[in-house]
Amino acid sequence: QSVLTQPPSASGTPGQRVTISCSGSSSNIGSNAVNWYQQFPGTAPKLLIYGTNQWPSGVPDRFSGSKSGSSASLAISGLQSEDEADYYCAAWDDSLNGVIFGGGTKLTVL
Amino acid sequence: QVQLVESGGGVVQPGRSLRLSCAASGFTFSYYSMHWVRQAPGKGLEWVALISSDGTKRYSADSVKGRFTIFRDTSKKTLHLQMNSLRPEDTAFYYCARDNGSPGAPFDNWGQGTLVTVSS
Repeated sequence: QSVLTQPPSASGTPGQRVTISCSGSSSNIGSNAVNWYQQFPGTAPKLLIYGTNQWPSGVPDRFSGSKSGSSASLAISGLQSEDEADYYCAAWDDSLNGVIFGGGTKLTVL
Repeated sequence: QVQLVESGGGVVQPGRSLRLSCAASGFTFSYYSMHWVRQAPGKGLEWVALISSDGTKRYSADSVKGRFTIFRDTSKKTLHLQMNSLRPEDTAFYYCARDNGSPGAPFDNWGQGTLVTVSS
């Protein structure tokens, strides 16, 4: 059972803006930065957003992250077909002394 | 460029042991904390263990505590995961990942993964 809660699925049409939520608690999202990963089938995950709202080199600014209290969100604007993938949020948990992941959200581009 | 290459996966019987390795190149290995993350086939990501850059601090998930040990060989630029008392639920792809040092332990580089199957 994941400590961070994400919707199992999300969808949108090309050009739309889609958001994926990630709900946690005061011991993780509430007190630490949030990271987001993108994973395509059969490949390793890729860091998409770190430090809640920072972009690694090469990640387009169509992807953005935010946080409010113990919840975080990943927003994808100008949705493209190649954005169809699984998305995971993650954060350090001070109570568990470890990293916790959300259960993942499968994004479908209709 | 940064490269992480895992090895050591395979099929193992329940209760047996296996050691995974992750060969690092393209960066100063001793500067970075490193992690193991696993993913059961068709399932989500699960963090397994962390070792600090100097090897003095180690943390692991409750699900593997007391059975798995993370360690590193700086001279060989290699990360290891010693897995003992393996269970069927440990079946997964195991990835090593580099911690980029920013708050929240983001994993900025991942290996391709190695599959561990625990089955009789």
